[in-house]
Amino acid sequence: DTAVSQTPKYLVTQMGNDKSIKCEQNLGHDTMYWYKQDSKKFLKIMFSYNNKELIINETVPNRFSPKSPDKAHLNLHINSLELGDSAVYFCASSYLGTSAFYEQYFGPGTRLTVT
Amino acid sequence: LAKTTQPISMDSYEGQEVNITCSHNNIATNDYITWYQQFPSQGPRFIIQGYKTKVTNEVASLFIPADRKSSTLSLPRVSLSDTAVYYCLVGTGNNDMRFGAGTRLTVKP
Repeated sequence: DTAVSQTPKYLVTQMGNDKSIKCEQNLGHDTMYWYKQDSKKFLKIMFSYNNKELIINETVPNRFSPKSPDKAHLNLHINSLELGDSAVYFCASSYLGTSAFYEQYFGPGTRLTVT
Repeated sequence: LAKTTQPISMDSYEGQEVNITCSHNNIATNDYITWYQQFPSQGPRFIIQGYKTKVTNEVASLFIPADRKSSTLSLPRVSLSDTAVYYCLVGTGNNDMRFGAGTRLTVKP
């Protein structure tokens, strides 16, 4: 009955590899997000999709490419991984609306370690 | 986006009421105030949201003065399991979510 799920939970890979993280929500929300939390614990939004359309695209390297096959799924593909990409990546979802936007439900996170 | 300022850390003891204040001097007319809780190795969890005056739910209360330049999250009778980082966010639905450093609350026995 997990509301927002991510796979994998842990991901260890080498520099230069390409990897994907998957996210699914069963809350019926129309908007999904990807966040990055670095070693200093700052949580920063990366992307947001509403009904499969990109609505927020923060300044992240173009090696990061989100893909939303439907409104319940938002995947994150990362090309040519670098050491600085090591972080915890969180997926979240919500309804899009003035206050509802801020009531987001987060997944458990994917800890990415690039060696 | 309204910038928020919170204490970096707070300590409390079990059974006490904890109040965490967030300053947001340049809050806009349409901005909402939202608080999240994050436990280690977990994603943030929505606690409460408000626009003005007082909001209460089963977890916490949120007090917002008339000028809305600050807000206070109140956690009644905290337990060890309330040890977490608490984030205050201010904005409208058209803005992205900007988490600050948050307040690290440590509840001691």
